[in-house]
Amino acid sequence: GQNIDQPTEMTATEGAIVQINCTYQTSGFNGLFWYQQHAGEAPTFLSYNVLDGLEEKGRFSSFLSRSKGYSYLLLKELQMKDSASYLCAGMDSNYQLIWGAGTKLIIKP
Amino acid sequence: ETGVTQTPRHLVMGMTNKKSLKCEQHLGHNAMYWYKQSAKKPLELMFVYNFKEQTENNSVPSRFSPECPNSSHLFLHLHTLQPEDSALYLCASSQALAGGHVDTQYFGPGTRLTVL
Repeated sequence: GQNIDQPTEMTATEGAIVQINCTYQTSGFNGLFWYQQHAGEAPTFLSYNVLDGLEEKGRFSSFLSRSKGYSYLLLKELQMKDSASYLCAGMDSNYQLIWGAGTKLIIKP
Repeated sequence: ETGVTQTPRHLVMGMTNKKSLKCEQHLGHNAMYWYKQSAKKPLELMFVYNFKEQTENNSVPSRFSPECPNSSHLFLHLHTLQPEDSALYLCASSQALAGGHVDTQYFGPGTRLTVL
């Protein structure tokens, strides 16, 4: 079957760095997406990886290892506004997204 | 603002009511999606439309009825719902579904539905 696993909740301190992990099993693979969702708001696109390695976008970076079925989202210089849920989704061979349940990130001062 | 709007934002309905959710996208996309989001569960894909044609119905009960009159608008008609249908209903759009092409989906803010 197809499955995406990510931690349910994480806590980090303002100004610090946090890494949110995601492991995936999909029927075929066409890339891995990360979305951010603030409470009561729309999920917003953060990153897409299809090749192995690290992609950096400002304070956010996303990493993919296809051989390990593993990705992570790295958030640096954490700000209070980064408190949100982070959704990991793998795209299967039919170009359908398989979603994780999301990781709720709590930032403390 | 993601370019995808949904109305209403909140809806409370009884099990015998009939209501509709509306989604509109201003991105010039041709694919539209309905998802159900329940607490601590993955997003569940309900329906997909590509160029106004329904391409996916993931075993959704018939009490949910989608309608896509054009590529910019998507409706979800609700009737005789159950309390377990209470959830956040998200609409999304993407460029188009085409073989061999990866599209990013853009989401609306959702309708928070409560069924009493």
